[in-house]
Amino acid sequence: QVQLEATGPGLVRPSETLSLTCTVSGGSISSYYWNWIRQPPGKGLEWIGYIYYSGSTKYNPSLKSRVTISLDTSENQFSLKLSSVTAADTAVYYCARHPNRRDGYNEFDYWGQGTLVTVSS
Amino acid sequence: QSVLTQPPSVSGAPGQRVTISCTGSSSNIGAGYDVHWYQQLPGTAPKLLIYGNSNRPSGVPDRFSGSKSGTSASLAITGLQAEDEADYHCQSYDSSLSGSYWVFGGGTKLTVL
Repeated sequence: QVQLEATGPGLVRPSETLSLTCTVSGGSISSYYWNWIRQPPGKGLEWIGYIYYSGSTKYNPSLKSRVTISLDTSENQFSLKLSSVTAADTAVYYCARHPNRRDGYNEFDYWGQGTLVTVSS
Repeated sequence: QSVLTQPPSVSGAPGQRVTISCTGSSSNIGAGYDVHWYQQLPGTAPKLLIYGNSNRPSGVPDRFSGSKSGTSASLAITGLQAEDEADYHCQSYDSSLSGSYWVFGGGTKLTVL
């Protein structure tokens, strides 16, 4: 059974960079797409971006200028960096997997438990 | 403001049938992209409930069903049970001149009366 666990600081100062890591266990990181999704308190879900095991990435156009997702296949981990954060970036951040099918026809089949990141001074 | 529109809340008594709608546009659901549904119990991560418009992952009861038509999709839950009380999210894909990306509805809170 594939398991994902997101870890990182729970508090980030405004204008700084949010950094999170997702560790994948119970399966290989190969042949899948690895995503970050967030949910502000009391609101809906927002897709942030993905990285494929080959290293290719795709980001939400609204966040693209501030997001970097990277991969460490040796550790079965992928990471998120979100720069210049504001209070609007306060959310539960989830890591999730989607299968290798063409864009538009893939669901998020495994999710991590989520980690709350608060942006505040 | 979410790209896909869901009612904020729905409710039903045990044993009843409820439906949750998910309305999109010609750049997402109407373009033929798949719709998927997730169940989010309080304080937990979303769990895949329906994929590819109408398919259930292993372990999901057949009380849950999904459908899609035009620019909208629906999730139906029959034989409502107390354990179904949760938030439900629809998800699809949007492709337009401004870019292409995965999109969600705002979520619907189901209350079992």
